[in-house]
Amino acid sequence: AQKITQTQPGMFVQEKEAVTLDCTYDTSDPSYGLFWYKQPSSGEMIFLIYQGSYDQQNATEGRYSLNFQKARKSANLVISASQLGDSAMYFCAMREYQKGKLIFGQGTELSVKP
Amino acid sequence: DAMVIQNPRYQVTQFGKPVTLSCSQTLNHNVMYWYQQKSSQAPKLLFHYYDKDFNNEADTPDNFQSRRPNTSFCFLDIRSPGLGDAAMYLCATSREQGSTDTQYFGPGTRLTVL
Repeated sequence: AQKITQTQPGMFVQEKEAVTLDCTYDTSDPSYGLFWYKQPSSGEMIFLIYQGSYDQQNATEGRYSLNFQKARKSANLVISASQLGDSAMYFCAMREYQKGKLIFGQGTELSVKP
Repeated sequence: DAMVIQNPRYQVTQFGKPVTLSCSQTLNHNVMYWYQQKSSQAPKLLFHYYDKDFNNEADTPDNFQSRRPNTSFCFLDIRSPGLGDAAMYLCATSREQGSTDTQYFGPGTRLTVL
């Protein structure tokens, strides 16, 4: 059963605008972590932001913020003021308590237009 | 100050010729992971080490082996590469296996099988 769903295979955004990348998840474990990674065409997976299941506030890291809606089981990534260098594949991932495995979504390819 | 290093970045091998990919880390993390990522797909965990304890994923082919001689280094051995093994191989590390522990990835090794 797929546990992480990213419904947007590809997205376009104008430079300097904000964009939201969707992620929904499924787990029965009350303790879990949610992660977003950026993968440019070079292939490296770059960690962006983390949200814990018990965190009361939405995580923020610079231009990245995570819109965490626990009841809806969604963890959308918001990128503010998009830059050309933001063009990449973005993966949402989940890790359950005491399980080493990161479960990835299928990714969303973001293209930033000048 | 690279944290997770993978060598080589690009590897070309022949069908059936054994190949070894290497990963090293300067983070002193307990856990090291190997992922396989094929084109336009999400990374797939092959196995991981917690310290010296090896954990194989159930669907990882026997053709793939791993060694972790010390905390800093981990190797991926492909005994008889097939055309279907051409992929990006990503090494990652995390401090522990908890849901809050972020996995940090290396730049990856892109394997071509001729």
